[in-house]
Amino acid sequence: GQQVMQIPQYQHVQEGEDFTTYCNSSTTLSNIQWYKQRPGGHPVFLIQLVKSGEVKKQKRLTFQFGEAKKNSSLHITATQTTDVGTYFCAVFTTSGTYKYIFGTGTRLKVLA
Amino acid sequence: DVKVTQSSRYLVKRTGEKVFLECVQDMDHENMFWYRQDPGLGLRLIYFSYDVKMKEKGDIPEGYSVSREKKERFSLILESASTNQTSMYLCASSLLGRLDYTFGSGTRLTVV
Repeated sequence: GQQVMQIPQYQHVQEGEDFTTYCNSSTTLSNIQWYKQRPGGHPVFLIQLVKSGEVKKQKRLTFQFGEAKKNSSLHITATQTTDVGTYFCAVFTTSGTYKYIFGTGTRLKVLA
Repeated sequence: DVKVTQSSRYLVKRTGEKVFLECVQDMDHENMFWYRQDPGLGLRLIYFSYDVKMKEKGDIPEGYSVSREKKERFSLILESASTNQTSMYLCASSLLGRLDYTFGSGTRLTVV
């Protein structure tokens, strides 16, 4: 079945450094979503990417969908302590039952 | 803002008890979901529903059942709680055909 791998699993950065997390799929995706979960909190929807090669920005966050629509990345420029949390990608698959698969997440720690 | 409200933030139950986790959303969403979140295993779908009285099994339905008698309410039932059901349970909802899920704050269930 479809698999979604997210790397890295953990990342510690100094405040001000950049951060990138990658989401890779074994099959071509129709779209991809990104969520953020703060420590002790719940996942919050950030963005959806649909088009091949699409790039979207939210302030210091840049989201990219690969040309082949098999991978995606989230890049944070000049991290701040408020960026701490776990970032998940999520994809929809129609193989088998209706499924919305979440990646395993990348936990980001920002050291002040 | 869409609100997804889970009835309890923390619950402690004994092995063998019947446990009800309630979830209510206030924005007329058709889709509702129950996930559990465990360290290292990410978010796993237990059950979902896309209409009143409709339910579909997710990836890990064993030991759980659900009820959706009203559009706004989706209940997760643990028929006979076991220690391996100790977890964070997250409810989510979305409009039909939409993938930007709104999550509740979660219920941390401990079964002793």
